[in-house]
Amino acid sequence: EDKVVQSPLSLVVHEGDTVTLNCSYEVTNFRSLLWYKQEKKAPTFLFMLTSSGIEKKSGRLSSILDKKELFSILNITATQTGDSAIYLCAVGVTSLGGSNYKLTFGKGTLLTVNP
Amino acid sequence: DAGVIQSPRHEVTEMGQEVTLRCKPISGHDYLFWYRQTMMRGLELLIYFNNNVPIDDSGMPEDRFSAKMPNASFSTLKIQPSEPRDSAVYFCASSPGRPGELFFGEGSRLTVL
Repeated sequence: EDKVVQSPLSLVVHEGDTVTLNCSYEVTNFRSLLWYKQEKKAPTFLFMLTSSGIEKKSGRLSSILDKKELFSILNITATQTGDSAIYLCAVGVTSLGGSNYKLTFGKGTLLTVNP
Repeated sequence: DAGVIQSPRHEVTEMGQEVTLRCKPISGHDYLFWYRQTMMRGLELLIYFNNNVPIDDSGMPEDRFSAKMPNASFSTLKIQPSEPRDSAVYFCASSPGRPGELFFGEGSRLTVL
């Protein structure tokens, strides 16, 4: 059974702090690792990583994948109250034969940024 | 494109009643996924379709749950009979059919009393 484990489950920080969110996985037929941000409604896409060691960056957010150790981290620098959300990690796998693709999600990390 | 459209947005029903959730995927997307989200279990994949064909329904919790995709622009998830433990937010998502992101609808919040 595919497993995606995120840590910590929740985190409370002050504005301006830097946070690191963790995601480890144990899956068959890995294809990609994705990060999503979920506020009150639907998850919204942040990053997709497929190669080890290549950092993806968007503003204050960045992420990197280690396919040897089977984990990824999401960093947020200079946090703002608007960063408060659930951050979801998902791993994309293909079926045997590679004809089908699905995402398995971790339970998420609830980040609260206080002013 | 309007994105993935789900209805109803909120549903409150009594135990034993039938519930039908609806989804219209993004036009041109080959894959459609149904997920359920709860505090305890997070986002769980229930079933997904490729070109309207169910591929993997191993996440469907019980025979009370069923899903159909009669054409490329419509899918339903039905619960009959509903139970209080089915209370959750149900998300539909679609994907263009290559490894990459899923596009989520706004979700249907189901409360079974």
